[in-house]
Amino acid sequence: NAGVTQTPKFQVLKTGQSMTLQCAQDMNHEYMSWYRQDPGMGLRLIHYSVGAGITDQGEVPNGYNVSRSTTEDFPLRLLSAAPSQTSVYFCASSTGTGFGQPQHFGDGTRLSIL
Amino acid sequence: AQKVTQAQTEISVVEKEDVTLDCVYETRDTTYYLFWYKQPPSGELVFLIRRNSFDEQNEISGRYSWNFQKSTSSFNFTITASQVVDSAVYFCALFSEIQGAQKLVFGQGTRLTINP
Repeated sequence: NAGVTQTPKFQVLKTGQSMTLQCAQDMNHEYMSWYRQDPGMGLRLIHYSVGAGITDQGEVPNGYNVSRSTTEDFPLRLLSAAPSQTSVYFCASSTGTGFGQPQHFGDGTRLSIL
Repeated sequence: AQKVTQAQTEISVVEKEDVTLDCVYETRDTTYYLFWYKQPPSGELVFLIRRNSFDEQNEISGRYSWNFQKSTSSFNFTITASQVVDSAVYFCALFSEIQGAQKLVFGQGTRLTINP
C-alpha cells in the first residue's frame, strides 16, 4: 500500500535550473495538491487539482507549474529555480473533490536552491 | 480572508503533564472543516482529526481530546498525560471553498516537546 509517493526525497539545484518534482498516488483519489513548508509559516498551498485535466492555483503559485494528465500523477515543475524556492515540498491527495476530506501526504521532497 | 493562528510557537512540558494546543481561525464561510495534523521528527504529516462547522461536539480519542467552539472560533487540542512520543509539530488547518476554489490553510504550527 504505497499511498502518496514523492520523488526525489532530496535535491540540490543551482539558481536558474529547472526540475520536476514527481508525485504519484495509488488510491484513485481525484483531489491532489502541492504544499511548501517553510520554517515558522506552516504549509502553504501552491497548486491543486480536482481531477485529471483540471488544475487551479493556491496561495503561492508563482514560479511553479503543474499539470494533471492522469488521476495518479501530479508533477510540480520549477521552470527557473530561485533561492526563495528552497523549501520542503509535500504532495497530498484525498477522495472525491477533496472538500473537507483528510489529506494523505507524501513524505516530502527537501529542495535546496544555491 | 481565511486564516489560522496558532499563537504558541513552542511548548515544553514534562512527561505526564497535560498540555493544550490553541488554534484560532477566521473565515466568513458557514461551511468549513477544521483539522489537526501531527508532524513527528521523521517529517511525515499524520492526520489526527476532522471537524465540520456544524458539529460542535467535543471529541476524545484515548489521551487526545478536541474542543471546538464556534463562538470563539477556536479548535483547541489537549493531550492528557503526555508522553515523549507525543513530541512533534502540530498543525491546525482550515478547509473551505473561496470563490469556487477549495483551499486548505494551515496555521504556523506548534512545536511540542515532552521531556522525560
